[in-house]
This record gives sequence, structure tokens and C-alpha cells, in this order.
Amino acid sequence: DADVTQTPRNRITKTGKRIMLECSQTKGHDRMYWYRQDPGLGLQLIYYSFDVKDINKGEISDGYSVSRQAQAKFSLSLESAIPNQTALYFCATSTRAADTQYFGPGTRLTVL
Amino acid sequence: AQSVTQLDSQVPVFEEAPVELRCNYSSSVSVYLFWYVQYPNQGLQLLLKYLSGSTLVKSINGFEAEFNKSQTSFHLRKPSVHISDTAEYFCAVRGNTGGFKTIFGAGTRLFVKA
Repeated sequence: DADVTQTPRNRITKTGKRIMLECSQTKGHDRMYWYRQDPGLGLQLIYYSFDVKDINKGEISDGYSVSRQAQAKFSLSLESAIPNQTALYFCATSTRAADTQYFGPGTRLTVL
Repeated sequence: AQSVTQLDSQVPVFEEAPVELRCNYSSSVSVYLFWYVQYPNQGLQLLLKYLSGSTLVKSINGFEAEFNKSQTSFHLRKPSVHISDTAEYFCAVRGNTGGFKTIFGAGTRLFVKA
């Protein structure tokens, strides 16, 4: 079984809809991250969490919110999706040393 | 703050030829450096990393990278590539004095041709 899983793997939705992307990990890591990947831009950090009670905004948090339901679960929500949120979204985890990140397989989101 | 520049967006190369993927970084503090690889329809996975010690680091599948502090570079090399090396490669940097944020480059797509 994969250490970091994401659901759904693909999602097509319409402008204005609320969407939740889920991430679960079995690595026992404290730190979890949500990234967005756009062609030619690399990965941009949306939100990160050091533990269940410590959640922080990344560089592109506008239009997104997160919930850390447990050490193993970290969800990303788009309250009202817009077309420029069409992208590939990755969840990642790391230990406190944070010298390596472990990525999920990604969710491809299309907003029409 | 740190930043990363990957100098080539795409690198086509024939099988068994050598390849170099270039990465330059900037930082006001000492850094950790990483190369991640993303195969089609998969997440990123760590290829190799420099934390301290020897400036030449190697992966299990024949890639190597050298930390050059004076040139602020961390280029990735392989002497002979395989079709299976076709993927996108991301250089990343993180300050090593506290902090946690890893900054990723825009990626270099390596395409190995038969």
C-alpha cells in the first residue's frame, strides 16, 4: 500500500462548486503539505501543517482552506472553484527534520 | 529566502548518451539541496540530496550531483541514460538553519530517445 494517498485522483467540476481533496498518510509524519503544480511553474505551496493544531498559509493560499482532522489526514478545500484553479494538486509529508518530502500520487482537478 | 533556477525546461537526448540537468540557487544562508524525479502520472520522489559532507552525492540508479558553493549550483548528471529515465526532474533548496520551507524549481523534462 502507498504511504501517502490522495482522493480523488481526477475530478472535473464547475465554476462555483465546493470541492474537497483528501490526503492520508501511514508514514507517521507530523508535517503535511499541500502543493499546486502548474506547467512551467514547478510546485507552489498552498498550506502546511506541523501538527493537528498548527496550520499555516503558504505562498498561494487565497481561495483555499484546509483541515487537519488527525495526524494522518489533511484535506484541502476549494470553497468556490474557479477555472484558474485547474491544476495538479499534491499532498506531501515530512518528518520534523523536513529534509525529505514524500509525495502522494496527485489529484488532477479541472474547473470548467 | 531561497530561490531555484533550472536552466533548461526540456532536454532531449539519445539513449546511452550522457546528460546534465542544470540547477542554480540563491540563498542568504547555508542550504540543503535536492533533486526529485516525477515519472508520468506519479508524484515526486526523492532522487538524491546534499545535506552536508561530501559535495558529490549519488543515487542508486546512476545519477549524481555536485554541490558547488562558489557557483551556487547543483547540477545533475548521468553518464549514460536509459529510456526509463524519461521523466521530469525538479531541483529544490531549503535553508538548513531552522525553517522548513522547500523551494522547488520549475522542472526540467528529460526525454530519452531510442
